Amino acid sequence: NAGVMQNPRHLVRRRGQEARLRCSPMKGHSHVYWYRQLPEEGLKFMVYLQKENIIDESGMPKERFSAEFPKEGPSILRIQQVVRGDSAAYFCASSPPAGGVQSEQFFGPGTRLTVL
Amino acid sequence: AQSVTQLGSHVSVSEGALVLLRCNYSSSVPPYLFWYVQYPNQGLQLLLKYTTGATLVKGINGFEAEFKKSETSFHLTKPSAHMSDAAEYFCAVSPSGGYNKLIFGAGTRLAVHP
Repeated sequence: NAGVMQNPRHLVRRRGQEARLRCSPMKGHSHVYWYRQLPEEGLKFMVYLQKENIIDESGMPKERFSAEFPKEGPSILRIQQVVRGDSAAYFCASSPPAGGVQSEQFFGPGTRLTVL
Repeated sequence: AQSVTQLGSHVSVSEGALVLLRCNYSSSVPPYLFWYVQYPNQGLQLLLKYTTGATLVKGINGFEAEFKKSETSFHLTKPSAHMSDAAEYFCAVSPSGGYNKLIFGAGTRLAVHP
């Protein structure tokens, strides 16, 4: 029973390039959350998605960042024209369809993005 | 707006000593509260959560936390620290009545020395 999978685990990009981070939720989970962890800080909510729908993107930067969770395949967090300030660990979490506040979120191991 | 404050970014204890990690929250509605642990280069693992009911919550690995509404606190404790407890611990709050958008504290790094 595989947990939440994220790839790549480490990603290095030069300024101006694009970064694509992938998240495969646990089997049977249809809710996905993305969080960003800057060095020496806690996780900050970015976006909450269900299949084919963005439910809450209040934590997403207004420019360069986008997220999707298609009907088939993993959720993708896309960062265009990366800058050094985008260097962080990006975590994905998933929860089951029942949803609700009491549904536990299961976290993936994260993708560590380094922008040179 | 809801927020979480973790007092002490670094805590160091001796093996066998009491572990106390502090968490205070602010919330305009009854909160749901969580403690997560993060080992190096890994994702977060849920230790325990408070939603409703009994205010003393027991979690995995011998940890427990008590919700004190009057103090707006949810401190994490463990009677006797093990070397394997060395990790980073995050307190989080979630708005009640909605989905699980978690608001995290800045984290406390626990060191356990022999």
